[in-house]
Amino acid sequence: AQSVSQHNHHVILSEAASLELGCNYSYGGTVNLFWYVQYPGQHLQLLLKYFSGDPLVKGIKGFEAEFIKSKFSFNLRKPSVQWSDTAEYFCAGGRGYSTLTFGKGTMLLVSP
Amino acid sequence: NAGVTQTPKFQVLKTGQSMTLQCAQDMNHEYMSWYRQDPGMGLRLIHYSVGAGITDQGEVPNGYNVSRSTTEDFPLRLLSAAPSQTSVYFCASSSAGGRNGYTFGSGTRLTVV
Repeated sequence: AQSVSQHNHHVILSEAASLELGCNYSYGGTVNLFWYVQYPGQHLQLLLKYFSGDPLVKGIKGFEAEFIKSKFSFNLRKPSVQWSDTAEYFCAGGRGYSTLTFGKGTMLLVSP
Repeated sequence: NAGVTQTPKFQVLKTGQSMTLQCAQDMNHEYMSWYRQDPGMGLRLIHYSVGAGITDQGEVPNGYNVSRSTTEDFPLRLLSAAPSQTSVYFCASSSAGGRNGYTFGSGTRLTVV
């Protein structure tokens, strides 16, 4: 069965620290991968997506992710976090766009 | 564009009551889905639809019904509410090409007492 797993449930960082959130998937064949962000009390917003091509994907708000097929990974990175990045981050995967399977989320708290 | 609109935003039900969560999108998207979000569980797929008249079950379909009579609307029905259905429900839509990912509604927070 297809699945998406996120390594950390909670991450606490100070402002200006670098961020890397882990995501692994267990799909065979072609997979489409996404990172979503959910700010407190809000709905999910798309940060970035990977379908094919360049494995380094750049998204909004300075986030990027790297698709490493050999490791079945799609880790999210940001060189320098801000207090406003405090949110929950979800990795998701799918095939054929009809449905997405989500990881359980990583809650990021950035202290000023 | 309104995007994906969910109503109501908050609802309290008594055990055994039924209700319908509404979802409408104005982007002419073919694909629509319902997810529930519970702490520590991420989002789990309840039902989905790939077009008008076509629906299918997701990971956690029990206790829920859906129908898709039009492209725009995808209501979720709770047949007989149970405390285990206390959750935040999100509706999402995507074009069949899906290259922009899913667009999510603002959610319905449901409490069953």
